[in-house]
Amino acid sequence: KAGVTQTPRYLIKTRGQQVTLSCSPISGHRSVSWYQQTPGQGLQFLFEYFSETQRNKGNFPGRFSGRQFSNSRSEMNVSTLELGDSALYLCASSTDPRRETQYFGPGTRLLVL
Amino acid sequence: GENVEQHPSTLSVQEGDSAVIKCTYSDSASNYFPWYKQELGKRPQLIIDIRSNVGEKKDQRIAVTLNKTAKHFSLHITETQPEDSAVYFCAASGGGFKTIFGAGTRLFVKA
Repeated sequence: KAGVTQTPRYLIKTRGQQVTLSCSPISGHRSVSWYQQTPGQGLQFLFEYFSETQRNKGNFPGRFSGRQFSNSRSEMNVSTLELGDSALYLCASSTDPRRETQYFGPGTRLLVL
Repeated sequence: GENVEQHPSTLSVQEGDSAVIKCTYSDSASNYFPWYKQELGKRPQLIIDIRSNVGEKKDQRIAVTLNKTAKHFSLHITETQPEDSAVYFCAASGGGFKTIFGAGTRLFVKA
């Protein structure tokens, strides 16, 4: 099976702009989770989607949003970008993240100037 | 809120020695505890996991133990090799479709 893919791999934006990141899960995986990874904070949970429904979200401001399509592909959007949003954004797919392995994509590295 | 504490943040061992990383979780509803290894510039990959109905699991040089009463689980790597050098993350999930990761342990294995 093809692994989890994310596009784009790298992005440079300026403060105030918005950005959309895309994640394609492993075929058959209906759960997609998003994480923000920064050097000092590890992996911070953003949100999880299953069958187009957000089932949980982490402690991030409303500028961070996401959605999932009927083919399980997911997007996350960050509006009004701030310098502190610079990070590696990882998505992970699973059959059930509560009890099964999550498979990570390569990530999108976002730099906000 | 839910939290996973991981220690130590950095660990340096001599090749052939053992390495132990410890994690404590707060959500008593957690019942699945995976460990991920992330090499520099790469994505995290699962190396071992344990479920709440099991106290210990072993896979070659890697073992994980779980103490549900203490909400504590640990990763043990024996006979460490230079290729074990990476960042290791523990995680806890099962409490509501949210996986909480520890802050990571940077392991250095000196040849």
